[in-house]
Amino acid sequence: QVQLQESGPGLVKPSQTLSLTCTVSGGSISTGSYSWSWIRQPAGKGLEWIGRIYTSGSTNYNPSLKSRVTISADTSKNQFSLRLSSVTAADTAVYYCASRITIFEDAFDIWGQGTMVTVSS
Amino acid sequence: DIQMTQSPSSLSASVGDRVTITCRASQSISSYLNWYQQKPGKAPKLLIYAASSLLSGVPSRFSGSASGTDFTLTISSLQPEDFATYYCQQSYSSPLTFGGGTKVEIK
Repeated sequence: QVQLQESGPGLVKPSQTLSLTCTVSGGSISTGSYSWSWIRQPAGKGLEWIGRIYTSGSTNYNPSLKSRVTISADTSKNQFSLRLSSVTAADTAVYYCASRITIFEDAFDIWGQGTMVTVSS
Repeated sequence: DIQMTQSPSSLSASVGDRVTITCRASQSISSYLNWYQQKPGKAPKLLIYAASSLLSGVPSRFSGSASGTDFTLTISSLQPEDFATYYCQQSYSSPLTFGGGTKVEIK
């Protein structure tokens, strides 16, 4: 059974770069026609899709964050990562990694448990 | 971007009630609409994909339907474990976007 686990610093200073990693277990990030996404949720608010990386290595970002976001993959470690630069307090949120595993359609049927990131000095 | 508008933003219902949540897309998204359930402190869980397909393992009291750009999630008989926040999400075009959520509370 495929599982996702986010990891990374829980506190980032303003103007610095937020870096998170999602470790995939029970399956390979480099097989199939999957994509691997990052989604975030500020406290008490809704969900925002940040972007995704395909098994081909191509990426697709939300234009609202595109200038600050990089998503990459390390197939040797079966991980994919998020880097968000020049963070502000508005980037404080729970960050989730997510993908689709059991279905063909584009939906997120598997999620990590989420990791809280606070932007503060 | 495609805007997803959910209504109501919250509702109160009793166990056994039939509950309907609506999601309207700002443009045609065919059937590229998914529904998620989220409980406090937990990641969302997929319930319905492609507007009306029930994910394996999800109780059959959950159903989804579509009419044009309007989509509906129905819970036929609300159970105690269904009190949560529900989100719709379009996968028709990038950026993928979510509705604002509907919180289902106990009456």
